[in-house]
Amino acid sequence: ETGVTQTPRHLVMGMTNKKSLKCEQHLGHNAMYWYKQSAKKPLELMFVYSLEERVENNSVPSRFSPECPNSSHLFLHLHTLQPEDSALYLCASSQGSTGDGNTIYFGEGSWLTVV
Amino acid sequence: GQQVMQIPQYQHVQEGEDFTTYCNSSTTLSNIQWYKQRPGGHPVFLIQLVKSGEVKKQKRLTFQFGEAKKNSSLHITATQTTDVGTYFCAGQGGGSNYKLTFGKGTLLTVNP
Repeated sequence: ETGVTQTPRHLVMGMTNKKSLKCEQHLGHNAMYWYKQSAKKPLELMFVYSLEERVENNSVPSRFSPECPNSSHLFLHLHTLQPEDSALYLCASSQGSTGDGNTIYFGEGSWLTVV
Repeated sequence: GQQVMQIPQYQHVQEGEDFTTYCNSSTTLSNIQWYKQRPGGHPVFLIQLVKSGEVKKQKRLTFQFGEAKKNSSLHITATQTTDVGTYFCAGQGGGSNYKLTFGKGTLLTVNP
């Protein structure tokens, strides 16, 4: 039990589908993150929300659309993805910013396969 | 932009041997964090180093932060099969208050 719950754990979708990844944190944190983990690449930060406001958007294609309705929930909406988007998508949370020395807690990830 | 290089990419050891992974940043860091990811799992926080020259120990694991706050190392003494996994360093810096830059990780395998 990590305190950060992601659903679904596995997702296979076609390039024309629309799907969403969901993340919920039970740690009382006020910052939430989406990371992408691909084979042979470093963990890539995609988006950061602090107090429901987006504070980082690292040049992510518009086919990925985040949503943070409150400080406990984070979504990643997916549409018209490409096969190269297949990866492990990790949600994380922290109490405040990593710049203030706060550590991040990862969820178990959602394995996404685009066919 | 900020880059964090980590070596080696892979390390295979016999159980009982020592293991070290090294991390180098292109810029000075405010802090560095280490994470472990077991095969099929998710990254789990191990430790954070903040001060120049800091050394921290967790049982058989020793973490160091360089004097210039640009490099770090993780050393495991007498590896066990439970140490198997990928060890990532993550540097905080580069002007963003929320951006940890991760290294590619070192995959450690241990032969029993």
